[in-house]
Amino acid sequence: DAKTTQPNSMESNEEEPVHLPCNHSTISGTDYIHWYRQLPSQGPEYVIHGLTSNVNNRMASLAIAEDRKSSTLILHRATLRDAAVYYCALNSGGSNYKLTFGKGTLLTVNP
Amino acid sequence: DAGVTQSPTHLIKTRGQHVTLRCSPISGHKSVSWYQQVLGQGPQFIFQYYEKEERGRGNFPDRFSARQFPNYSSELNVNALLLGDSALYLCASSRSAVLDTQYFGPGTRLTVL
Repeated sequence: DAKTTQPNSMESNEEEPVHLPCNHSTISGTDYIHWYRQLPSQGPEYVIHGLTSNVNNRMASLAIAEDRKSSTLILHRATLRDAAVYYCALNSGGSNYKLTFGKGTLLTVNP
Repeated sequence: DAGVTQSPTHLIKTRGQHVTLRCSPISGHKSVSWYQQVLGQGPQFIFQYYEKEERGRGNFPDRFSARQFPNYSSELNVNALLLGDSALYLCASSRSAVLDTQYFGPGTRLTVL
């Protein structure tokens, strides 16, 4: 399975943009890139996913490198409620749905 | 709509015992997946079930088993518990077997003493 690598922690200020990087250099052509976030004592919450093109939704934007070996989750204006562990995960699709998670980035948002 | 529910929320067992964890998917979702999350790590895939059939299995020993019922709820069973099985066990549901968004439950915290 392809693996993902993320920084252990990042810090941001409230109302500023945040760019969370993820490296997935062994990604295969059919792997989808997913981002989830997790608050303490909760299950992971879906944020966004994509295959090749950049994606936007109400929560965030996903920028995927042209060679697909890295991606960046962009929170346009961080709020205190965005403080969480952010996971980059790959899903190879095929006949099943298996998310392979990295170790995640702990995002701290300062007021 | 109710999200994914799991029971129990917390569980304490001793080594050698067995445990059954339960999951109810979101209404209309036919796929259920189980993940194990050890403290400080990302979730690790254990099983996926779709329409009551196993669709995928992660790198876990045979002590781990699961099943899905006609109402699409699911059970995860772990036999001969080891200290290393202490973790948060997460259930996720999705509409189809592939590529639809997976929605996670709050998890069951298992402690093995």
